[in-house]
Amino acid sequence: QQQVKQSPQSLIVQKGGISIINCAYENTAFDYFPWYQQFPGKGPALLIAIRPDVSEKKEGRFTISFNKSAKQFSLHIMDSQPGDSATYFCAASRGDKIIFGKGTRLHILP
Amino acid sequence: DTEVTQTPKHLVMGMTNKKSLKCEQHMGHRAMYWYKQKAKKPPELMFVYSYEKLSINESVPSRFSPECPNSSLLNLHLHALQPEDSALYLCASSPQGRANTGELFFGEGSRLTVL
Repeated sequence: QQQVKQSPQSLIVQKGGISIINCAYENTAFDYFPWYQQFPGKGPALLIAIRPDVSEKKEGRFTISFNKSAKQFSLHIMDSQPGDSATYFCAASRGDKIIFGKGTRLHILP
Repeated sequence: DTEVTQTPKHLVMGMTNKKSLKCEQHMGHRAMYWYKQKAKKPPELMFVYSYEKLSINESVPSRFSPECPNSSLLNLHLHALQPEDSALYLCASSPQGRANTGELFFGEGSRLTVL
């Protein structure tokens, strides 16, 4: 009930390609779905987030797609760049309760 | 640069030592958090201070104890740790406290090694 399932565990994409990371949740009480980006040796940083009343949100090259009926959401990185190589965590939250996915290690080939 | 500052960045301690990790934020946020992160794993919540009330993850052993001297400072006191406690300890803050939306601002972490 409290899990957020994230896939794939790792992803390799050519420079300029589209990176897609998927997450699924179970608890319909969650009302906020952020994505965090973490570089080695650094803390996670909020990348982009969405609420369930919106089906898509775009910020620059980053887009979240949200499917409320399927309880799924995904991160799309357009025109992927080597500087995007990092670990990405999806999360679901309500109030003080935040559940993280297990993370996706993304590597963009130059 | 992150607006959540953690010190020290690296700490090596023996199992009998007493040490502290410190965290400071000047964003006026009402909630502060301690997370533990092992390699290739997501952050695990340890403690939350929200509107001066402490919430504890019950799986956290008593050798970790948080302290919140004021709304911008959060310490984590360490005593009699075990080697398996070696990890990256992350402090985070959030602007809305109990109405938190999940928007966390993380520090860069304190890398702890227990010998």
